[in-house]
Amino acid sequence: AQSVAQPEDQVNVAEGNPLTVKCTYSVSGNPYLFWYVQYPNRGLQFLLKYITGDNLVKGSYGFEAEFNKSQTSFHLKKPSALVSDSALYFCAVRDSVDSSYKLIFGSGTRLLVRP
Amino acid sequence: GAVVSQHPSRVICKSGTSVKIECRSLDFQATTMFWYRQFPKQSLMLMATSNEGSKATYEQGVEKDKFLINHASLTLSTLTVTSAHPEDSSFYICSATGQSSNTGELFFGEGSRLTVL
Repeated sequence: AQSVAQPEDQVNVAEGNPLTVKCTYSVSGNPYLFWYVQYPNRGLQFLLKYITGDNLVKGSYGFEAEFNKSQTSFHLKKPSALVSDSALYFCAVRDSVDSSYKLIFGSGTRLLVRP
Repeated sequence: GAVVSQHPSRVICKSGTSVKIECRSLDFQATTMFWYRQFPKQSLMLMATSNEGSKATYEQGVEKDKFLINHASLTLSTLTVTSAHPEDSSFYICSATGQSSNTGELFFGEGSRLTVL
């Protein structure tokens, strides 16, 4: 069965410092991995995805994520956090052998960037 | 990028009435649409998967007669909350994927906040 774990409910970081939001996954086949961001009372916005190829994926707003197959992780990173990055972040996975296109979401991590 | 429009963004209704939420893909044909429910400070709970022209597939524990889903065209899916009660109050989000997306990337609507009095 597919699953996603985001072990941190909240991550606090000072503006200008690097940030990491953790995600680990479990699938039967090859994973398709996604990060989404949600601002209050809004839908989810796509940040980046890993399908195949380079393990380091660059996405929107300066975010990037590194796919690590041996650790089954896909941590989201940004070199220098902004206060405006404060939001709820979701990691999601789909098994490449699953034809339903159903995404499994993690529990979400709230990022708080303090000035 | 692909745009999914969801309407209404907010709706308040009396207990016992029905409410319809629309989800439209504006610039692509959505072969599959998903409906999620999100409780405060929680993750998204998948309610059902909707394929154009066929009956929706509901997740375990979701009442089919309570949450009616129709996917009549490749650009429109609707969720009707029938005989709504206060416990149905929630944030409902739709998402869609198109024929051209073999990786199944989902595009999300802005969500609809339902408050049942």
